Amino acid sequence: DTEVTQTPKHLVMGMTNKKSLKCEQHMGHRAMYWYKQKAKKPPELMFVYSYEKLSINESVPSRFSPECPNSSLLNLHLHALQPEDSALYLCASSPGAQGRGTEAFFGQGTRLTVV
Amino acid sequence: AQTVTQSQPEMSVQEAETVTLSCTYDTSESNYYLFWYKQPPSRQMILVIRQEAYKQQNATENRFSVNFQKAAKSFSLKISDSQLGDTAMYFCAFRMYSGGGADGLTFGKGTHLIIQP
Repeated sequence: DTEVTQTPKHLVMGMTNKKSLKCEQHMGHRAMYWYKQKAKKPPELMFVYSYEKLSINESVPSRFSPECPNSSLLNLHLHALQPEDSALYLCASSPGAQGRGTEAFFGQGTRLTVV
Repeated sequence: AQTVTQSQPEMSVQEAETVTLSCTYDTSESNYYLFWYKQPPSRQMILVIRQEAYKQQNATENRFSVNFQKAAKSFSLKISDSQLGDTAMYFCAFRMYSGGGADGLTFGKGTHLIIQP
């Protein structure tokens, strides 16, 4: 199983709503990532979890709150978002240890629209 | 900080032709990884090929090969016998070689490759 599964695939939310994005992998990977991708732009790193601990936060606003409940699951909690936060949110995982392969596997993303 | 530059926003070739996508990068690191990812309209980022900086031999995966020039900090992707399914956005990406193995990717702006029938 080389899949990273993201749910939901599409999400429309109001600026006062609270919602969560979910990401799951069963490859035994110990590093998981959230990226944000605007239209016709490359993905931008938001957060990195390594061994279930937050290791990198790329100065992301606090209205985005990541959570890693276990080694297979990564959530992104959303609250009081702005229309400019509308984007494709990509989750990825990688083995997280040298010598075991280095590439990141990506999910299909959640297309988020904030209205 | 690392930067990745892709100077070709869009390229278009005929099916079965060979096409080369360019990528240059800037880093002060000596050990790192370079990747080419493909993102078709379905949105999913798919790994095409990877290269470890400490390996002199250029990576090859079937119709895809790279020309890695470490001194020039250049990492181009050659697609041979191009197929309609190769139509996609192609991103060059850089990752540091760290002990924890959990660093994010730095992407170039991408090249939109169109394969014409």
